[in-house]
Amino acid sequence: ETGVTQSPTHLIKTRGQQVTLRCSSQSGHNTVSWYQQALGQGPQFIFQYYREEENGRGNFPPRFSGLQFPNYSSELNVNALELDDSALYLCASSVRTAHNEKLFFGSGTQLSVL
Amino acid sequence: QQQVKQSPQSLIVQKGGISIINCAYENTAFDYFPWYQQFPGKGPALLIAIRPDVSEKKEGRFTISFNKSAKQFSLHIMDSQPGDSATYFCAASYSSGTYKYIFGTGTRLKVLA
Repeated sequence: ETGVTQSPTHLIKTRGQQVTLRCSSQSGHNTVSWYQQALGQGPQFIFQYYREEENGRGNFPPRFSGLQFPNYSSELNVNALELDDSALYLCASSVRTAHNEKLFFGSGTQLSVL
Repeated sequence: QQQVKQSPQSLIVQKGGISIINCAYENTAFDYFPWYQQFPGKGPALLIAIRPDVSEKKEGRFTISFNKSAKQFSLHIMDSQPGDSATYFCAASYSSGTYKYIFGTGTRLKVLA
């Protein structure tokens, strides 16, 4: 167990709708990252939050946004859902050290956009 | 230049055999190379990781071999077991302030009993 929990586990939405995915990080982990994993592919970096501020972003449009809270929880929000947004969304928490970070992933939220 | 290329896409090994998965990268700024194991319905779990200042790292049945000059690294699973059947991802990252991982496309390993 990584100590990272995500909710919900599965979600079905309609194109154009908005969705909020939630993550509870390991206690003491000050960094949270979100990844999108399409079927049969490796995870792709969406963005990272460090001490409640966005600290880097991948090649995703602004309709993907996030929040990190002081209690180590975080949210991923996606507006104007598109069919291609259907994927497994993974939250990963970590502790920033001098040399890279070990990412601890949750089990993910499977999002289906119809 | 940000890609990490992984092969093979799938692999079938007999129980007790050696599973070998290969990855190649282009960006020489990468300085951390983890391997993740993912079971269906679960998130990736860190298996083993290496930095480019060593050529090999072993943890139990899992070994990473790293060739800095060739910009390649590989995962060897010795004495492969049916319980090892999963998808394996290599990744790379560098210390730029944002520790984002670049993942390979994954290798689906099946170990036959």
